[in-house]
Amino acid sequence: QQQVKQSPQSLIVQKGGISIINCAYENTAFDYFPWYQQFPGKGPALLIAIRPDVSEKKEGRFTISFNKSAKQFSLHIMDSQPGDSATYFCAAHRNAGNMLTFGGGTRLMVKP
Amino acid sequence: DAGVIQSPRHEVTEMGQEVTLRCKPISGHNSLFWYRQTMMRGLELLIYFNNNVPIDDSGMPEDRFSAKMPNASFSTLKIQPSEPRDSAVYFCASSLGVKRGNTGELFFGEGSRLTVL
Repeated sequence: QQQVKQSPQSLIVQKGGISIINCAYENTAFDYFPWYQQFPGKGPALLIAIRPDVSEKKEGRFTISFNKSAKQFSLHIMDSQPGDSATYFCAAHRNAGNMLTFGGGTRLMVKP
Repeated sequence: DAGVIQSPRHEVTEMGQEVTLRCKPISGHNSLFWYRQTMMRGLELLIYFNNNVPIDDSGMPEDRFSAKMPNASFSTLKIQPSEPRDSAVYFCASSLGVKRGNTGELFFGEGSRLTVL
């Protein structure tokens, strides 16, 4: 059972453009929603995260938008750069089980 | 801090051979996770330890897979016998564990790329 659905699977954006990745979850017990960034040959690393009591969180060029009623959240990368080219995973966390459930990943390519 | 350390980084073996992957978590972290990453299935959680005790092994594919955590600073994932469909990148990750307010941030190692011929 895929509890976190992520789209698109791949994304190509021109330098300077906006990259948008979407995720939807099913379990209302999730209490924390991080995004992980993975470069080739490396493990995923935490990029930005949000709790369900806020609708938006911004860190530099990266913004998470969260819609609790729709059980959806998204990552926006403003002014996308070639160095942002990586695989991005959304995830959802249940503190009760201390487990992260990952989405399927989005491979982002930012063209110069 | 050196981060999560995994070995070997690359392993090529023949079908039927035993494979052992090793992980040293970040000191002070009391939760350890083994994930498998493939193009087809993405990141799959195989098993999760808390305070060296296996909590959830429902992701372990079959009896050929086993994982141990004999102490707080070491874990192994063993595949015996290995099969070509086990070819993947295996990640170990650690976190601070179950505490009130803990975000559950995972710190991943760089992975072990396994190829079974």
